[in-house]
Amino acid sequence: GAGVSQSPRYKVAKRGQDVALRCDPISGHVSLFWYQQALGQGPEFLTYFQNEAQLDKSGLPSDRFFAERPEGSVSTLKIQRTQQEDSAVYLCASSLSTKNYGYTFGSGTRLTVV
Amino acid sequence: GESVGLHLPTLSVQEGDNSIINCAYSNSASDYFIWYKQESGKGPQFIIDIRSNMDKRQGQRVTVLLNKTVKHLSLQIAATQPGDSAVYFCAENSNYQLIWGAGTKLIIKP
Repeated sequence: GAGVSQSPRYKVAKRGQDVALRCDPISGHVSLFWYQQALGQGPEFLTYFQNEAQLDKSGLPSDRFFAERPEGSVSTLKIQRTQQEDSAVYLCASSLSTKNYGYTFGSGTRLTVV
Repeated sequence: GESVGLHLPTLSVQEGDNSIINCAYSNSASDYFIWYKQESGKGPQFIIDIRSNMDKRQGQRVTVLLNKTVKHLSLQIAATQPGDSAVYFCAENSNYQLIWGAGTKLIIKP
């Protein structure tokens, strides 16, 4: 497609439930990033892929968070045993190059844990 | 640690006037800066960028100024329109990550 597509747009999860958030980057984009954005704040880095390789996962808040990009295109961010503090917008961005110049962001998935 | 921050959380501007949004950064080694616009319910949208070897860059109705001496960025929007209402973020390149400030909400008064 023309842009970065994320699904679902909204997700309400009960505390303790597992969720999976999907990102379809722009075709051919090598780099893929996940960010977490709390209300009124700037995005915070979670993890970075270059093709299928996860080169940095230092921003993942806990071992309940897991991301994958098995074929170097679509990526999934999985959160196990969701907690209320996980409530946020999860943004995916992709970039044609291996540097982060020229990011394109998706519209995000708003996760609410109740 | 390294941080990028904004001076004002909210800016109200009369429609048709120019807007200036400011940002301070702390990492003097940063070489690339970006301004993003984020409308409600949408992801950040690229507005304009600037590299550290420049002090000014112009786009369509927008200008970014970089003052490396005081580690300060500004975004100028000319003839502000209702469609400019959004939260504006500056971001600083740190390796392959972007480090973001908290954002400035721009409100356009009719």
